[in-house]
Amino acid sequence: ELKVEQNPLFLSMQEGKNYTIYCNYSTTSDRLYWYRQDPGKSLESLFVLLSNGAVKQEGRLMASLDTKARLSTLHITAAVHDLSATYFCAVDESGTSYGKLTFGQGTILTVHP
Amino acid sequence: EAQVTQNPRYLITVTGKKLTVTCSQNMNHEYMSWYRQDPGLGLRQIYYSMNVEVTDKGDVPEGYKVSRKEKRNFPLILESPSPNQTSLYFCASSSQGVTEAFFGQGTRLTVV
Repeated sequence: ELKVEQNPLFLSMQEGKNYTIYCNYSTTSDRLYWYRQDPGKSLESLFVLLSNGAVKQEGRLMASLDTKARLSTLHITAAVHDLSATYFCAVDESGTSYGKLTFGQGTILTVHP
Repeated sequence: EAQVTQNPRYLITVTGKKLTVTCSQNMNHEYMSWYRQDPGLGLRQIYYSMNVEVTDKGDVPEGYKVSRKEKRNFPLILESPSPNQTSLYFCASSSQGVTEAFFGQGTRLTVV
């Protein structure tokens, strides 16, 4: 059974600081996704990582994938309040994008002034 | 506009009263899924469908049914809802190949 674990589950940051969210998974997969969820809202796709060593960046967020270590990271640079949200990683264990995603528990990020 | 539409957005019902949550996508996606979201557990897949008339169980299928008679629609049926099915439900669709899943707005279900 595929397990996906995120840490930390809660992250309180000051504006301007850097931090990293980790996503570990228990089976071989080269498809990993990061989503953002604002309170009461749906999930918004942030990054799609499809191969070992993949790195994607958008604004203050950068995601990477190490399939050998079964680890993905979401790095936050110089946090701002607008980044406050819940962040999920998800692994596609089918390897064929059949939409069978297994999600981590989510990381609730709060950015303080 | 490309979207996944769920209805209703909010639903309060009583134990045992059958209900259906509808999901429709306009992107001609082959794959559709249902997830439930509970605090501290992330999203867990209930059922998924790879195409019309092709469905399979996800991780938490007990108490749920689905059907895929048309490519665009993937309704979730609770034949006899129970309080432990109180949750936030999301429908998602995706396409064969290299794409992420697109999610509906969510349906908050309360079973009393």
